[in-house]
Amino acid sequence: DSGVTQTPKHLITATGQRVTLRCSPRSGDLSVYWYQQSLDQGLQFLIQYYNGEERAKGNILERFSAQQFPDLHSELNLSSLELGDSALYFCASSGGAGANEQFFGPGTRLTVL
Amino acid sequence: AQSVAQPEDQVNVAEGNPLTVKCTYSVSGNPYLFWYVQYPNRGLQFLLKYITGDNLVKGSYGFEAEFNKSQTSFHLKKPSALVSDSALYFCAVRGAYNQGGKLIFGQGTELSVKP
Repeated sequence: DSGVTQTPKHLITATGQRVTLRCSPRSGDLSVYWYQQSLDQGLQFLIQYYNGEERAKGNILERFSAQQFPDLHSELNLSSLELGDSALYFCASSGGAGANEQFFGPGTRLTVL
Repeated sequence: AQSVAQPEDQVNVAEGNPLTVKCTYSVSGNPYLFWYVQYPNRGLQFLLKYITGDNLVKGSYGFEAEFNKSQTSFHLKKPSALVSDSALYFCAVRGAYNQGGKLIFGQGTELSVKP
């Protein structure tokens, strides 16, 4: 158990809908990262927050947004969902903003029908 | 741009034999390198990292990795494979210094250890 929690574990929704994925980092970790894992794209970095502020951005679609709250939990919002958004979404956390290893949550499997 | 390559989609070894999972990287500046393992329907588990220092890095579950700067490689090794080591292995490099702590992952290598 990495200490990173993600809810829900599974999410099934329809095209055009909006969903919110939630992540709680390990106790004391200030950085939260979001990754998308799909068969065709592999593991792709989406976005990083450090102590409430956006720190780095990857190939995140404009339809996707995230935030980190004062209690350090984070939410990833996915809107106007398309079939191609079906993937495993991981949250990870680390103690610093840079070179520390990241600890991954169990993931949320999103299925868009 | 930072990148990672895992040239083998699958590695098959017999239990008790040594295993190697290959990784090469391309970075600007000093490389920060990581290995993760993913078991079916699970998140990624951290195995080991190279930041600086000794070229041979020891990690969890008996795994180690050898950093080779001249060959830009960071191969994962284990002297004696176990059936329970069967999983998907990812090599990763940290993004450029101005990209926070994002990790850039290779495509993964499926390790299969047979009894």
